[in-house]
Amino acid sequence: GENVEQHPSTLSVQEGDSAVIKCTYSDSASNYFPWYKQELGKRPQLIIDIRSNVGEKKDQRIAVTLNKTAKHFSLHITETQPEDSAVYFCAPRVNSGYSTLTFGKGTMLLVSP
Amino acid sequence: ETGVTQTPRHLVMGMTNKKSLKCEQHLGHNAMYWYKQSAKKPLELMFVYSLEERVENNSVPSRFSPECPNSSHLFLHLHTLQPEDSALYLCASSQESGSLNEQFFGPGTRLTVL
Repeated sequence: GENVEQHPSTLSVQEGDSAVIKCTYSDSASNYFPWYKQELGKRPQLIIDIRSNVGEKKDQRIAVTLNKTAKHFSLHITETQPEDSAVYFCAPRVNSGYSTLTFGKGTMLLVSP
Repeated sequence: ETGVTQTPRHLVMGMTNKKSLKCEQHLGHNAMYWYKQSAKKPLELMFVYSLEERVENNSVPSRFSPECPNSSHLFLHLHTLQPEDSALYLCASSQESGSLNEQFFGPGTRLTVL
């Protein structure tokens, strides 16, 4: 299965700052790279994803960048707001069955007003 | 309620009890999943069903027994659990049987085993 690591495990920023969370993976065949957000007491929800034929994708204040050579992808949040406070999970995938459904350990983002 | 629902939301049980968790998806999806989420650990995939057929069983102890009677419903039957099984159990569904689809999660069942 996929070995997935996220860094940092905790990230504290001031409102308005940018935040970057990095996810490294082991399987070079991975071709789908989603990020999920889980607010306290709530369910995980997909916030952005990217496929291997694209290097970057943006959606308003969030973006994901992919470096397939180095086997990592990153979540970028600009102009952070308190409501961005949550745990963020990466889950790189290989389209070869469900055994590769591996989530990272999560990064807790705390945005202080 | 739309999306993915789970009942009960909270469950406390003794080690000798038998209980079941229920998940229902209203999205017309073909695949359903059970995950375990423990404190300070990543989401752990337990079971996957695609078109009502179990396609993945990630070395889960036999005290957890899944059932998928149709593509909209998924159950997790529990018996003789251990305290270390206390966790949040999340159900999810996705549109197709491939793994490159967004997973829609339910709100979870918070399980406490005494």
